[in-house]
Amino acid sequence: EVQLVESGGGLVQPGRSLKLSCVASGFTFSNYGMNWIRQAPGKGLEWVAYISSGSSYIYYAETVKGRFTISRDNAKNTLYLQMTSLRSEDTALYYCATSYSLDYWGQGVMVTVSS
Amino acid sequence: DIQMTQSPSSMSVSLGDTVTITCRASQDVGIYVNWFQQKPGKSPRRMIYRATNLADGVPSRFSGSRSGSDYSLTISSLESEDVADYHCLQYDEYPRTFGGGTKLELK
Repeated sequence: EVQLVESGGGLVQPGRSLKLSCVASGFTFSNYGMNWIRQAPGKGLEWVAYISSGSSYIYYAETVKGRFTISRDNAKNTLYLQMTSLRSEDTALYYCATSYSLDYWGQGVMVTVSS
Repeated sequence: DIQMTQSPSSMSVSLGDTVTITCRASQDVGIYVNWFQQKPGKSPRRMIYRATNLADGVPSRFSGSRSGSDYSLTISSLESEDVADYHCLQYDEYPRTFGGGTKLELK
């Protein structure tokens, strides 16, 4: 069974940084691209970033490009999202999801950016 | 970026109804559309992949179809457990883009 467990969220002040993690199990993590998606409170889904299985291909939404960095450690079955220069509009529930087609999702981790 | 225009944004439904939700893509995305169900406080669950394929474990009352740039999710004979939010996704190009979502509410 595919399991994705996000962590690292919390309350952070504007302009500060935060790093999210997503630990994967139940599939061969190193064979699959991975994504981060977010959902602001009461809003729809917004794709944030993608990283290919070997980290060769990385894509970002324009809203986070230059501020967020996606990475992975295949030895640890872990996906990361380093978030810097955080803004209030980054407040959201952040999900990790598998593959180029976002097949399976974690339960999400909340990030709140507020002073 | 490809826009996925989803309609309706909300729908008042009754048990046993046949419900159809549609996404229109702003440019060709081929078969690369998924549909997700999201219940309150839960993460999205893939229901349909590649526009018309039922994901594992999804009841057969759910179906997906395509007509040109219009993609539809149909729920036949709606059950109470189907009351949720539904989202379409195009994964033909980056950035991936979602429709705005459809909220189903019981009358």
